[in-house]
Amino acid sequence: NAGVTQTPKFRVLKTGQSMTLLCAQDMNHEYMYWYRQDPGMGLRLIHYSVGEGTTAKGEVPDGYNVSRLKKQNFLLGLESAAPSQTSVYFCASSYPRDYEETQYFGPGTRLLVL
Amino acid sequence: TQLLEQSPQFLSIQEGENLTVYCNSSSVFSSLQWYRQEPGEGPVLLVTVVTGGEVKKLKRLTFQFGDARKDSSLHITAAQPGDTGLYLCAGGLNTGNQFYFGTGTSLTVIP
Repeated sequence: NAGVTQTPKFRVLKTGQSMTLLCAQDMNHEYMYWYRQDPGMGLRLIHYSVGEGTTAKGEVPDGYNVSRLKKQNFLLGLESAAPSQTSVYFCASSYPRDYEETQYFGPGTRLLVL
Repeated sequence: TQLLEQSPQFLSIQEGENLTVYCNSSSVFSSLQWYRQEPGEGPVLLVTVVTGGEVKKLKRLTFQFGDARKDSSLHITAAQPGDTGLYLCAGGLNTGNQFYFGTGTSLTVIP
């Protein structure tokens, strides 16, 4: 099993450009999450999904959109990139929540917006 | 504003020393998790605690959940260079499916 994979690993964008980050998991997990990680701020939840065809907003959803058309894939879109979106983006997946829920993280996508 | 604050933010110690990392909040959590993250990788779950006052041990690591379920600590005994990394706490609430991550503690263990 590959676990959670993220594409691309690194990307440079100019302000105003758009892009899509792809997350794929092969563990048949129901839940998937997108986080961003910035220095001194830990991880902050952008959007999440509790099942195919469903999405919900997290702590910092502005400027991002997501889609979960297939259970194994969770896409994060930036329609018009801004320098404030320079960050490391992590995708995670998990089984339906219980008190012992474990999130499995991908290796991250490093995004630089100029 | 961060729901969970960790201290210290940075810690550099010699191999063999003991250390404690703290995770504090004014909110009550249904569960509290600790993750370790190495450079260039995603976080990996170390432990989950769910009961106030609960203590869990993982080899040289001891995790404690506060009685009021608002805080947690991670104690490492006889630290080793392999313990180097970013330690993150994450709290789960009863409502929703979200975990709120702390600000992180970057630990360096010098051989």
